[in-house]
Amino acid sequence: AQSVAQPEDQVNVAEGNPLTVKCTYSVSGNPYLFWYVQYPNRGLQFLLKYITGDNLVKGSYGFEAEFNKSQTSFHLKKPSALVSDSALYFCAVRGLSGGYQKVTFGTGTKLQVIP
Amino acid sequence: DADVTQTPRNRITKTGKRIMLECSQTKGHDRMYWYRQDPGLGLRLIYYSFDVKDINKGEISDGYSVSRQAQAKFSLSLESAIPNQTALYFCATSSGLAGGGDTQYFGPGTRLTVL
Repeated sequence: AQSVAQPEDQVNVAEGNPLTVKCTYSVSGNPYLFWYVQYPNRGLQFLLKYITGDNLVKGSYGFEAEFNKSQTSFHLKKPSALVSDSALYFCAVRGLSGGYQKVTFGTGTKLQVIP
Repeated sequence: DADVTQTPRNRITKTGKRIMLECSQTKGHDRMYWYRQDPGLGLRLIYYSFDVKDINKGEISDGYSVSRQAQAKFSLSLESAIPNQTALYFCATSSGLAGGGDTQYFGPGTRLTVL
C-alpha cells in the first residue's frame, strides 16, 4: 500500500532563515509527488509537483522541492522564510493502487515562521 | 479557490439528521472528489467520480453517499449524521489529463459539527 510520512508535526523557523519540511513516501512504480499548502480557513492550494525529469522542482511563492529516489524523499525547501509562509503543508503521492491512480496525503506539517 | 465552491461553509446539526454538502466547479474538470480532514490524520478520501456516470468509494465511504448531478456538481450526503463525522470536508477537482500528474484543486471546505 502506498503511504506518505511527514515526520514533523510542526517546524519552527526564524524569518529570513532557510526552511525545510520533510516528506518520505512509499509507492509502487514511478511516483507523482505534490506539495499543497493550507492557510487558516482555506482549502488546500497546489504549490508544486514532481512528474519526471529534473529532481529539483520549483513552485509558487519561492518554494522548491528535491526528489530523491534512493531515499524516497521529497522535501520542501525555501531559502528565506517569510512570516506569511506560516501555514499547514501537505505532501501527497500519486501512484497505481488497485487499478486506480490513487492520491495519498500525509498528515501535514505546521510551519511557524517567527518574526 | 473561487473555481471550486462549497455550500454551506459551516453547519451544526444533531445526531440522526440528514445532511447534504454541495460542491460546484467552473474549471471544466471531469474528476471530482470528496475528502474529510481530521487533526493529525491528514486528508482521507470519501468518494470520487471520474465523470457523471462514474462513482467510486474511497477509503472511508461508510455512512456517506454521493450524487454527481452534472459535470460541475458533486454532492455529499450524510444519511444519519453521527458525532464522529464532525470534521472539515473538502471537495476537489482534477482534469485527469495524462502527463500532468492530475493536480487537484480544492474548495474552501465545509466545517461540519454533529452534536
